[in-house]
Amino acid sequence: GAGVSQSPSNKVTEKGKDVELRCDPISGHTALYWYRQRLGQGLEFLIYFQGNSAPDKSGLPSDRFSAERTGESVSTLTIQRTQQEDSAVYLCASSPVGTGGISRNIQYFGAGTRLSVL
Amino acid sequence: DAKTTQPTSMDCAEGRAANLPCNHSTISGNEYVYWYRQIHSQGPQYIIHGLKNNETNEMASLIITEDRKSSTLILPHATLRDTAVYYCIADTNFGNEKLTFGTGTRLTIIP
Repeated sequence: GAGVSQSPSNKVTEKGKDVELRCDPISGHTALYWYRQRLGQGLEFLIYFQGNSAPDKSGLPSDRFSAERTGESVSTLTIQRTQQEDSAVYLCASSPVGTGGISRNIQYFGAGTRLSVL
Repeated sequence: DAKTTQPTSMDCAEGRAANLPCNHSTISGNEYVYWYRQIHSQGPQYIIHGLKNNETNEMASLIITEDRKSSTLILPHATLRDTAVYYCIADTNFGNEKLTFGTGTRLTIIP
């Protein structure tokens, strides 16, 4: 079946502009995660959704970052007034079990959106 | 989440077994060991996980020491497509829901 889909695959924007990144999780997956990966570095957790609620927003770096999810499907990550330090690959993942169960940590990742802020 | 320690990089000859070590000396009894890998320009890919027993699937084998303080991921016949960064993660199945990725091991398969 289809995997996690992210769009756009690449986004170039000017400093100060707003951007929206989209994630379509695997159908039926209740949990959805956003991560950020700067060039040459590891993954930083941003936010986690269980259904359309976000019990863990601890990784959002500032109030310029927000995310929402419609039901148990698509999610959008919005970055307002982009800064050059926001340049990174933004990765989305989904998993079939949001709470409990050993499969919770089996996360399926999309290919990411590469954001470049000029 | 328990801290994990992995070598920064490793090389392995094509066709040979690649053995990737991971130390997790502070792992707690309810934490599993998960392995993911990230091929260049792709998102991470789940490989395997285990609690106490050794595990094997179509991708790899996972050997966990009896005291659970370390583990080894084994790719039995490495191919050039196995060149990637490999991440070892120790995590429970309740509470904190995020995965904590460290810096991983950059495995290069040599032709």
